[in-house]
Amino acid sequence: NAGVTQTPKFQVLKTGQSMTLQCAQDMNHEYMSWYRQDPGMGLRLIHYSVGAGITDQGEVPNGYNVSRSTTEDFPLRLLSAAPSQTSVYFCASSYMGLNRLYYGYTFGSGTRLTVV
Amino acid sequence: KNEVEQSPQNLTAQEGEFITINCSYSVGISALHWLQQHPGGGIVSLFMLSSGKKKHGRLIATINIQEKHSSLHITASHPRDSAVYICAVLPGGSNYKLTFGKGTLLTVNP
Repeated sequence: NAGVTQTPKFQVLKTGQSMTLQCAQDMNHEYMSWYRQDPGMGLRLIHYSVGAGITDQGEVPNGYNVSRSTTEDFPLRLLSAAPSQTSVYFCASSYMGLNRLYYGYTFGSGTRLTVV
Repeated sequence: KNEVEQSPQNLTAQEGEFITINCSYSVGISALHWLQQHPGGGIVSLFMLSSGKKKHGRLIATINIQEKHSSLHITASHPRDSAVYICAVLPGGSNYKLTFGKGTLLTVNP
Protein backbone atom coordinates (compact mmCIF):
# COMPACT_ATOMS: atom_id res chain seq x y z
CA ASN A 1 0.00 0.00 0.00
CA ALA A 2 1.21 3.50 -0.82
CA GLY A 3 2.07 5.63 2.16
CA VAL A 4 4.70 6.48 4.72
CA THR A 5 6.57 3.65 6.39
CA GLN A 6 8.25 4.29 9.72
CA THR A 7 10.50 1.89 11.57
CA PRO A 8 10.88 0.80 14.28
CA LYS A 9 7.51 1.09 16.05
CA PHE A 10 9.06 0.84 19.50
CA GLN A 11 12.58 1.43 20.79
CA VAL A 12 14.28 1.63 24.16
CA LEU A 13 17.67 3.33 24.31
CA LYS A 14 20.14 3.96 27.06
CA THR A 15 21.31 7.51 27.64
CA GLY A 16 24.16 8.33 25.29
CA GLN A 17 23.30 5.73 22.67
CA SER A 18 22.66 6.77 19.09
CA MET A 19 20.09 5.45 16.68
CA THR A 20 18.32 6.19 13.42
CA LEU A 21 14.58 6.29 12.91
CA GLN A 22 13.72 5.33 9.37
CA CYS A 23 11.06 6.99 7.21
CA ALA A 24 10.23 6.08 3.62
CA GLN A 25 7.44 7.18 1.29
CA ASP A 26 6.45 5.89 -2.14
CA MET A 27 4.20 8.75 -3.26
CA ASN A 28 6.95 10.89 -4.81
CA HIS A 29 6.17 13.65 -2.33
CA GLU A 30 8.62 16.55 -2.31
CA TYR A 31 8.10 17.54 1.32
CA MET A 32 9.00 15.31 4.26
CA SER A 33 9.09 16.19 7.93
CA TRP A 34 9.67 14.80 11.40
CA TYR A 35 7.61 15.65 14.48
CA ARG A 36 7.64 14.69 18.11
CA GLN A 37 4.51 14.36 20.21
CA ASP A 38 4.70 14.76 23.97
CA PRO A 39 1.87 14.54 26.53
CA GLY A 40 -0.02 17.81 26.91
CA MET A 41 1.72 19.40 23.93
CA GLY A 42 0.95 19.65 20.27
CA LEU A 43 3.09 18.01 17.64
CA ARG A 44 6.34 19.90 17.19
CA LEU A 45 8.41 20.07 14.04
CA ILE A 46 11.97 18.75 14.38
CA HIS A 47 13.38 18.93 10.84
CA TYR A 48 11.96 19.09 7.36
CA SER A 49 13.03 18.68 3.74
CA VAL A 50 11.59 20.12 0.53
CA GLY A 51 13.52 17.77 -1.74
CA ALA A 52 16.55 15.56 -2.08
CA GLY A 53 19.64 17.29 -0.75
CA ILE A 54 17.65 20.04 1.02
CA THR A 55 16.94 19.99 4.76
CA ASP A 56 16.19 22.63 7.36
CA GLN A 57 15.50 22.95 11.06
CA GLY A 58 12.11 23.09 12.65
CA GLU A 59 11.05 24.18 16.10
CA VAL A 60 13.00 21.63 18.18
CA PRO A 61 16.06 20.47 16.18
CA ASN A 62 18.66 20.13 18.95
CA GLY A 63 19.98 16.61 19.39
CA TYR A 64 18.68 15.42 16.03
CA ASN A 65 20.21 15.16 12.60
CA VAL A 66 18.62 14.46 9.21
CA SER A 67 19.64 13.90 5.62
CA ARG A 68 17.70 13.47 2.36
CA SER A 69 19.77 11.68 -0.23
CA THR A 70 16.70 10.42 -2.15
CA THR A 71 13.11 11.60 -2.60
CA GLU A 72 11.85 8.47 -0.83
CA ASP A 73 13.88 8.39 2.38
CA PHE A 74 14.23 10.83 5.26
CA PRO A 75 15.97 9.25 8.28
CA LEU A 76 16.14 10.96 11.68
CA ARG A 77 19.29 10.39 13.72
CA LEU A 78 19.56 10.78 17.47
CA LEU A 79 23.19 11.57 18.07
CA SER A 80 23.44 10.93 21.83
CA ALA A 81 20.08 9.99 23.31
CA ALA A 82 18.84 11.82 26.40
CA PRO A 83 15.80 11.12 28.61
CA SER A 84 14.28 14.39 27.32
CA GLN A 85 14.03 12.74 23.90
CA THR A 86 11.55 10.18 25.20
CA SER A 87 8.58 10.82 22.95
CA VAL A 88 6.49 9.54 20.08
CA TYR A 89 7.97 10.46 16.72
CA PHE A 90 6.01 10.87 13.50
CA CYS A 91 7.25 11.25 9.97
CA ALA A 92 5.02 12.87 7.35
CA SER A 93 5.13 13.68 3.67
CA SER A 94 3.12 15.97 1.40
CA TYR A 95 3.10 17.39 -2.11
CA MET A 96 2.97 20.93 -3.44
CA GLY A 97 -0.23 22.03 -5.16
CA LEU A 98 -0.65 24.59 -7.92
CA ASN A 99 -1.01 27.37 -5.36
CA ARG A 100 2.35 26.35 -3.90
CA LEU A 101 0.80 25.09 -0.66
CA TYR A 102 1.51 21.59 0.56
CA TYR A 103 -1.39 19.15 0.40
CA GLY A 104 -2.15 15.59 1.31
CA TYR A 105 -0.19 15.27 4.53
CA THR A 106 0.39 11.56 5.06
CA PHE A 107 1.75 10.41 8.39
CA GLY A 108 3.68 7.32 9.35
CA SER A 109 2.39 5.13 12.15
CA GLY A 110 4.82 6.56 14.68
CA THR A 111 7.80 5.40 16.74
CA ARG A 112 7.49 5.25 20.51
CA LEU A 113 10.97 5.95 21.88
CA THR A 114 11.99 5.59 25.51
CA VAL A 115 15.40 6.76 26.69
CA VAL A 116 16.44 5.39 30.09
CA LYS B 1 4.83 33.48 18.03
CA ASN B 2 1.79 31.81 16.54
CA GLU B 3 -0.48 30.24 19.12
CA VAL B 4 -3.09 27.65 18.20
CA GLU B 5 -5.82 27.10 20.76
CA GLN B 6 -8.42 24.36 20.57
CA SER B 7 -11.62 24.06 22.55
CA PRO B 8 -12.86 22.10 24.23
CA GLN B 9 -9.92 19.97 25.37
CA ASN B 10 -12.24 17.05 26.06
CA LEU B 11 -15.71 16.36 24.70
CA THR B 12 -18.08 13.51 25.49
CA ALA B 13 -21.19 13.02 23.37
CA GLN B 14 -23.96 10.52 22.84
CA GLU B 15 -24.23 8.73 19.54
CA GLY B 16 -26.16 10.84 17.04
CA GLU B 17 -25.28 14.22 18.52
CA PHE B 18 -23.92 17.13 16.49
CA ILE B 19 -20.32 17.88 17.46
CA THR B 20 -18.38 21.13 17.16
CA ILE B 21 -14.66 21.53 17.83
CA ASN B 22 -13.12 24.98 17.66
CA CYS B 23 -9.68 26.26 16.70
CA SER B 24 -8.38 29.80 17.14
CA TYR B 25 -5.00 31.12 16.07
CA SER B 26 -3.13 34.35 16.59
CA VAL B 27 -1.40 35.25 13.32
CA GLY B 28 -2.27 35.40 9.64
CA ILE B 29 -2.11 32.04 7.97
CA SER B 30 -1.80 30.51 4.51
CA ALA B 31 -3.80 27.39 5.35
CA LEU B 32 -5.32 25.39 8.19
CA HIS B 33 -5.41 21.63 8.55
CA TRP B 34 -7.68 19.36 10.56
CA LEU B 35 -6.23 15.99 11.52
CA GLN B 36 -7.64 12.94 13.27
CA GLN B 37 -5.52 10.81 15.59
CA HIS B 38 -6.96 7.39 16.25
CA PRO B 39 -6.78 5.70 19.66
CA GLY B 40 -4.00 3.50 18.27
CA GLY B 41 -1.95 6.60 17.50
CA GLY B 42 -2.18 6.87 13.71
CA ILE B 43 -2.76 10.37 12.28
CA VAL B 44 -4.95 11.04 9.26
CA SER B 45 -5.40 14.34 7.43
CA LEU B 46 -9.08 15.31 7.21
CA PHE B 47 -9.14 18.75 5.60
CA MET B 48 -6.97 21.59 4.42
CA LEU B 49 -8.69 24.98 4.26
CA SER B 50 -7.63 28.37 3.01
CA SER B 51 -11.12 29.88 3.05
CA GLY B 52 -14.79 29.02 3.29
CA LYS B 53 -16.05 25.56 3.98
CA LYS B 54 -15.35 21.94 3.06
CA LYS B 55 -17.47 18.83 3.55
CA HIS B 56 -16.57 15.17 3.49
CA GLY B 57 -19.25 12.73 4.49
CA ARG B 58 -20.42 13.66 8.00
CA LEU B 59 -17.52 16.03 8.56
CA ILE B 60 -17.69 19.75 7.83
CA ALA B 61 -14.86 22.24 8.31
CA THR B 62 -15.25 26.00 8.18
CA ILE B 63 -12.79 28.84 8.49
CA ASN B 64 -13.18 32.57 9.10
CA ILE B 65 -9.91 34.19 8.10
CA GLN B 66 -10.85 37.63 9.47
CA GLU B 67 -11.73 36.22 12.90
CA LYS B 68 -8.79 33.77 12.87
CA HIS B 69 -11.10 30.88 13.73
CA SER B 70 -12.03 27.49 12.35
CA SER B 71 -14.58 24.89 13.36
CA LEU B 72 -14.85 21.17 12.71
CA HIS B 73 -18.38 19.78 12.83
CA ILE B 74 -19.42 16.14 12.96
CA THR B 75 -23.04 15.39 12.16
CA ALA B 76 -24.79 12.26 13.46
CA SER B 77 -21.77 11.30 15.58
CA HIS B 78 -20.87 7.64 15.96
CA PRO B 79 -18.61 5.81 18.44
CA ARG B 80 -16.09 5.26 15.63
CA ASP B 81 -15.62 9.05 15.54
CA SER B 82 -13.94 8.79 18.96
CA ALA B 83 -10.44 10.15 18.46
CA VAL B 84 -8.24 13.17 19.07
CA TYR B 85 -8.90 15.97 16.56
CA ILE B 86 -5.96 18.25 15.89
CA CYS B 87 -5.91 21.68 14.30
CA ALA B 88 -2.70 22.84 12.61
CA VAL B 89 -1.95 26.13 10.87
CA LEU B 90 0.56 27.23 8.29
CA PRO B 91 1.61 30.77 9.17
CA GLY B 92 1.52 33.23 6.30
CA GLY B 93 4.92 33.53 4.69
CA SER B 94 5.99 30.05 5.76
CA ASN B 95 5.15 27.20 3.46
CA TYR B 96 6.89 24.60 5.55
CA LYS B 97 6.27 24.87 9.28
CA LEU B 98 2.94 23.71 10.60
CA THR B 99 2.02 24.83 14.12
CA PHE B 100 -0.25 22.40 15.95
CA GLY B 101 -2.89 22.74 18.61
CA LYS B 102 -2.88 20.34 21.55
CA GLY B 103 -5.89 18.46 20.25
CA THR B 104 -9.46 17.77 21.36
CA LEU B 105 -10.26 14.32 22.73
CA LEU B 106 -13.71 13.29 21.51
CA THR B 107 -15.51 10.32 23.03
CA VAL B 108 -18.81 9.26 21.51
CA ASN B 109 -20.81 6.84 23.64
CA PRO B 110 -23.31 4.40 22.13
